[in-house]
Amino acid sequence: DGGITQSPKYLFRKEGQNVTLSCEQNLNHDAMYWYRQDPGQGLRLIYYSQIVNDFQKGDIAEGYSVSREKKESFPLTVTSAQKNPTAFYLCASSSRDSNQPQHFGDGTRLSIL
Amino acid sequence: AQSVTQLGSHVSVSEGALVLLRCNYSSSVPPYLFWYVQYPNQGLQLLLKYTTGATLVKGINGFEAEFKKSETSFHLTKPSAHMSDAAEYFCAVSPSGTSGSRLTFGEGTQLTVNP
Repeated sequence: DGGITQSPKYLFRKEGQNVTLSCEQNLNHDAMYWYRQDPGQGLRLIYYSQIVNDFQKGDIAEGYSVSREKKESFPLTVTSAQKNPTAFYLCASSSRDSNQPQHFGDGTRLSIL
Repeated sequence: AQSVTQLGSHVSVSEGALVLLRCNYSSSVPPYLFWYVQYPNQGLQLLLKYTTGATLVKGINGFEAEFKKSETSFHLTKPSAHMSDAAEYFCAVSPSGTSGSRLTFGEGTQLTVNP
């Protein structure tokens, strides 16, 4: 079945540590996205990529980094510069047509130890 | 620039009652509009979308929404609520005529269904 796989489902970060969240899709989508979800704040866009080897900052990119070396993969690194990383992180993908919906993974919940 | 406003962060209905979740948008170009549902600790699932054509759009699980350009609204309705409809619902907008489907989301409405 085609879809988006996020791993791990739960992740814990120690102070000063970088952690990487995995996102893989087999939908043959060009575009991929990372969102952060906090209670009562909806989804906020961190980074997005419309093509391999290219990506753009979203609304809250500070303290995060991404890479897009393969069409299928768009990992997100939460760096130690992100002072409030506790949140639910969602990865999505879509075609590049603006009338097409985004498809979402099941999320990774990141907490601080 | 575009924005989405969902009126009511929490809506509570009785089982069998009408569900109405409100969404208003602002967009400088004709928008594409989407409703998503999220169950606890899961990702978002598409309920329905409006791009062009018929303004009344039917989606999954008995939901429908009507695009009203004059009111800049895209409210989500379901005639009879079921316990399984309890979830969080998000309205989203994407500008037409652009490359890429970058979405702007509303802040969500938590739907509670009482027995």
